[in-house]
Amino acid sequence: AQSVTQLDSHVSVSEGTPVLLRCNYSSSYSPSLFWYVQHPNKGLQLLLKYTSAATLVKGINGFEAEFKKSETSFHLTKPSAHMSDAAEYFCVVSDAWAAGNKLTFGGGTRVLVKP
Amino acid sequence: DAGITQSPRHKVTETGTPVTLRCHQTENHRYMYWYRQDPGHGLRLIHYSYGVKDTDKGEVSDGYSVSRSKTEDFLLTLESATSSQTSVYFCAISESEALNTEAFFGQGTRLTVV
Repeated sequence: AQSVTQLDSHVSVSEGTPVLLRCNYSSSYSPSLFWYVQHPNKGLQLLLKYTSAATLVKGINGFEAEFKKSETSFHLTKPSAHMSDAAEYFCVVSDAWAAGNKLTFGGGTRVLVKP
Repeated sequence: DAGITQSPRHKVTETGTPVTLRCHQTENHRYMYWYRQDPGHGLRLIHYSYGVKDTDKGEVSDGYSVSRSKTEDFLLTLESATSSQTSVYFCAISESEALNTEAFFGQGTRLTVV
């Protein structure tokens, strides 16, 4: 069975400083990995996805994530936070061999950006 | 944005009444999903569909049923609503189950059971 753990439920950063959101996963087989963002009272938007072509994945709005198989991690980073980055972020895994492309979500990390 | 419309967007209902939420897509995607979002739990899968009339249960399916009579529509029914079903419900669609295929989400339906 697959599972996802987001190690921080809340992260607070100052504008212009780096952001790090930590994610560990477990999956029986080769996983599909994603980061989604949810702004207040909105739906979920895909930030980036791991495609196995490269371990460092670049996404929208300056975010990137690094896949580390040995550590079963897929941490999300951004060099310089912007006020508009205040949102909730979800790390998501999908088991490539499971029927239906069902997604398993982490509990979410809420990011607060201070001016 | 992917063409996904959820209706209603907000609903308040009484305990014990039936409720149906609708998800409509214009992308002709094969897979459709219903998730619920609760604080600290992320999103959890209720039911999903892999084609017309083909559905299966997710991890939190008790108290819910679904139907898909057309490719574009996926209905979620709470047969007899309970307060524990107060949540935000999201519909999602996916083109295939191939590796690395992302899902696209609707705007959500906020359901309150009083």
